[in-house]
Amino acid sequence: ETGVTQTPRHLVMGMTNKKSLKCEQHLGHNAMYWYKQSAKKPLELMFVYSLEERVENNSVPSRFSPECPNSSHLFLHLHTLQPEDSALYLCASSSSYRAPFDSSYEQYFGPGTRLTVT
Amino acid sequence: AQTVTQSQPEMSVQEAETVTLSCTYDTSESDYYLFWYKQPPSRQMILVIRQEAYKQQNATENRFSVNFQKAAKSFSLKISDSQLGDAAMYFCACLISNFGNEKLTFGTGTRLTIIP
Repeated sequence: ETGVTQTPRHLVMGMTNKKSLKCEQHLGHNAMYWYKQSAKKPLELMFVYSLEERVENNSVPSRFSPECPNSSHLFLHLHTLQPEDSALYLCASSSSYRAPFDSSYEQYFGPGTRLTVT
Repeated sequence: AQTVTQSQPEMSVQEAETVTLSCTYDTSESDYYLFWYKQPPSRQMILVIRQEAYKQQNATENRFSVNFQKAAKSFSLKISDSQLGDAAMYFCACLISNFGNEKLTFGTGTRLTIIP
């Protein structure tokens, strides 16, 4: 399988549940990202990982907990979410964590996980 | 807090014609960067063009150019000689960098359709 994959593609969870989103990249990249795309809202960069270390956390609430066990896998652990957290969560990878800020690099996005919090 | 506004959810242009996508932003920082990203159906996010706020000269990359009006906080993207491959979502973004802490804010995007 090539590119960036995300599972599950759809997730419905209650506010007291704990769930995890998984992202896997098969591109040999060493930087991975979590983005949130809400309806009619700007795309938000949540977390940036480079070589399995977090280098960016854009003021994301602690109910979102990322984990990067190796350069190919990225998780987003979810607990006690709110209905306003319902959104499309996109994972991306690149050869450099600078990709969002540097035209020398491209980000490759996964298909996203559509999350609904009830 | 900074904001980025794209007031055109959708735009269309005839192939080979020119189209301009609008973007306005608001930030209290004096040092920042502005970007236009292209997201085609393949879901890649491609950095199209970048403008440093301290530079008065408008950035240009082949058929893509910007009209940067700093006082008006406007950063529009002009695509000349539109091609079918230009069809995509276009996001405007503003980056501030403060002592190693970087904040990147995106607009809501403009869907560009190219009419053959």
